[in-house]
Order: sequence, then C-alpha cells, then structure tokens
Amino acid sequence: EVQLVQSGAEVKKPGATVKISCRVSGYTFTDHYMHWVQEAPGKGLEWMGVVDPEDGVTMYTEKFQGRVTITADTSTDTAYMEVRGLTSEDTAIYYCATPAFGAFYWGQGTPVTVSS
Amino acid sequence: DVVMTQSPLSLPVTLGQPASFSCRSSRSLVSSDGNIYLNWFHQRPGQSPRRLIYKVSNRDSGVPDRFSGSGSDTDFTLKISRVEAEDVGIYYCMQGTHWPHTFGQGTKVEIK
Repeated sequence: EVQLVQSGAEVKKPGATVKISCRVSGYTFTDHYMHWVQEAPGKGLEWMGVVDPEDGVTMYTEKFQGRVTITADTSTDTAYMEVRGLTSEDTAIYYCATPAFGAFYWGQGTPVTVSS
Repeated sequence: DVVMTQSPLSLPVTLGQPASFSCRSSRSLVSSDGNIYLNWFHQRPGQSPRRLIYKVSNRDSGVPDRFSGSGSDTDFTLKISRVEAEDVGIYYCMQGTHWPHTFGQGTKVEIK
C-alpha cells in the first residue's frame, strides 16, 4: 500500500523558515516524481514544484522560485520542502503528492501558520 | 505559465441531476508525445484532494462511472451524470503537459 506521511503542523513567526517532510512507503521512491502543492485559505490549490528523487533535479513555479527548496533523501525515502522568509501569505496547508502505479497519491497535508 | 480557467466558480446542484464543469487552458495541452495531460481532482472540506480523471477522459480506479471527462487541445469538461451528496466539494483541473504544472481556480459544488 502506497503511503505518504507528512510531518505535523507548524507555527512560525514572520521571517522564519519551515521545513516539511514527506516519508513514503509502498513503492520505490526513486521511480516517481514528488510534487508539492499549496492550499492557502480561500485560494484553492497551487502547484509549487517537483523533485525527481532519482537525481535530485527540481522544477519550481516562478512564485516560489528562490524561496522554496525541495529535496529528496533516498536513504530514508523522504522528500522535504523548505520555505524561507515566511510571511502571512504562506499560511496554508502543504501537500506532497506522487503519481505511482497509475494513480496519484497525496499526503495528509501539513498546516503551517505564520503569525507574530 | 499555462493559465487554467475554470467555470463556473460556484455551482449549486440538485441531487440526482447532472452537473458540468468547464476548464480552459491558455495554450494547447497536447504534449510532444501526443498525449494531453489534463487531470481533474476533487477535494472535500478537510481532506486531501483525490484525482478523478487523468489524460482528459480516463477514470482513476474506484471512481464511479457517473464521472466522465472530455475535451481536446484547450477546452475540457467534467460531467457528473447524476449528482450524489458525496460529490460536494471543490473540483480542480490541473495540466501536467507543460512546466510548471498549473491548477485552475476550482469549481465549488454545493447541494441546493
């Protein structure tokens, strides 16, 4: 059974950094890209970026380029998404997701609250 | 970036009646391999999204056959033949042909 288990909720102050993890099981981590998606309150889903765990190559949408880093640790089958310079606009639920075995699997989401 | 535009943004529906959602892309979604990577997702409040349809018209495993997808090039449609109570939530289209991938704004479905 494919599972994507994300780290728990975070509360951060403006200007801080948050790093969210997504640990996978049930498939070969390096076989499929890992995507990250933001769900901001009242704003729908936004595709943030992706990593190919096999070689670490990443792609980001322009909005997050330079402030977000997505990585993959093949020794622990875990993907990470780091956001620097947090503002209130980054308050959202963040999801990891992967297309495996012809389906599209999602993590449970990690709420991040940015507040002074 | 490819802009995905969905309509309507809100759709009150009657149980047992059909519903239809539109999604238009700002450029062709036909990939160099000939496929069209247009997906439809459904998200219920408080839950992770779930993919319903991939490559325009292919239903994911376990998706009821009352859901169907169609379209080509830049114009796509998701239809529900008979709406059930569990269908409430937000429906998103997402293109995976071009980088970066992009979502539409979503269509919120509520029961009348």
